[in-house]
Amino acid sequence: EDQVTQSPEALRLQEGESSSLNCSYTVSGLRGLFWYRQDPGKGPEFLFTLYSAGEEKEKERLKATLTKKESFLHITAPKPEDSATYLCAVQMFSGGYNKLIFGAGTRLAVHP
Amino acid sequence: DGGITQSPKYLFRKEGQNVTLSCEQNLNHDAMYWYRQDPGQGLRLIYYSQIVNDFQKGDIAEGYSVSREKKESFPLTVTSAQKNPTAFYLCASSFSNQPQHFGDGTRLSIL
Repeated sequence: EDQVTQSPEALRLQEGESSSLNCSYTVSGLRGLFWYRQDPGKGPEFLFTLYSAGEEKEKERLKATLTKKESFLHITAPKPEDSATYLCAVQMFSGGYNKLIFGAGTRLAVHP
Repeated sequence: DGGITQSPKYLFRKEGQNVTLSCEQNLNHDAMYWYRQDPGQGLRLIYYSQIVNDFQKGDIAEGYSVSREKKESFPLTVTSAQKNPTAFYLCASSFSNQPQHFGDGTRLSIL
């Protein structure tokens, strides 16, 4: 069964305390992996796309990496404004279109 | 500014009532999508449309209907057949296999 699992479900960090969020997946025919940030009451905001194992993307304090089985979102020296839910989604071709399968997300809280 | 506009932000449904959620995009995207988000679960696909006048059922289409008469618009109707409609509804759009961009959602509750 095609599945995306994110861990941990929730993470509390002190400002400046670096950590990583995990997204593991079992899908047939990966076409891409997407990371999104979602603030409360808002829609997901696109962060990164990764297409192949070994690929890395960076944006400010965030760095996303991809292996054949999982992706990590590394947060370096986080600030309170990084607090949000981070969603991972895997793209596969199914039923004639590029389908996204979402994980349940990791709720990140960064405290001063 | 290009983007996706969902309205209303909050919506209340009475027993036996159909309600329609609006989604408009000015990004010139061909594909549009409707998702449902429930606490502790990933987004689940309700319907999608790759071109005007064509749409397909997603994983949880029962109790919902859509139309795609214009490229910019993809309204979702939650019918009385949907027995558990309380959720956060998200509309998205994209070019082909490019990242999907989302609106800010509609929260539907039952009166």
